[in-house]
Amino acid sequence: DTGVSQDPRHKITKRGQNVTFRCDPISEHNRLYWYRQTLGQGPEFLTYFQNEAQLEKSRLLSDRFSAERPKGSFSTLEIQRTEQGDSAMYLCASSLGRLGQGTTNEKLFFGSGTQLSVL
Amino acid sequence: KQEVTQIPAALSVPEGENLVLNCSFTDSAIYNLQWFRQDPGKGLTSLLLIQSSQREQTSGRLNASLDKSSGRSTLYIAASQPGDSATYLCAVLSYNTDKLIFGTGTRLQVFP
Repeated sequence: DTGVSQDPRHKITKRGQNVTFRCDPISEHNRLYWYRQTLGQGPEFLTYFQNEAQLEKSRLLSDRFSAERPKGSFSTLEIQRTEQGDSAMYLCASSLGRLGQGTTNEKLFFGSGTQLSVL
Repeated sequence: KQEVTQIPAALSVPEGENLVLNCSFTDSAIYNLQWFRQDPGKGLTSLLLIQSSQREQTSGRLNASLDKSSGRSTLYIAASQPGDSATYLCAVLSYNTDKLIFGTGTRLQVFP
């Protein structure tokens, strides 16, 4: 499979626990994005990377959230001291280059997401 | 700040109907607009991408139009089928940003 893959697909945790999600982008895609989606809403931007550099973080990304892309390939999103309000689908997406370039670079390819439930 | 709105929030139609989904955005300074499909509990699949210089794009039974000056886009689905049942999301890429801003989606159900 050459698409964006996310692991795990589902995660159930108790409030206060730490969780970590992994995203493997399409090979050779330089840009990697994280979005969060709650029930009945559209995806909300969290952060994105150009290779290993984290270029932008949303205000939604509180101090309890941290994202890394250490070697410019896969990325991890960690949530510390989870709260019930963190329950959501966490979506990862990748693109070959900068969006809006006027080529196929401008398309984002999404993974199937990680569904987080905090009890 | 770009805001994207979709109407209606939900739609239920019998098989075979032609239907229109609406998307509006507040800032017309955009590179492009995309329509995505999302099945329950799944990720997003890109359906159509319209550049800011284009008026419409077509793929099979789907046709998307863009009126940038008025901040509106429509997704037209011809001869709807039960397999079209999903949530449809529009997203815009604004100038001077590198991220898509999504609407809240239209949840479509097509019944036999």
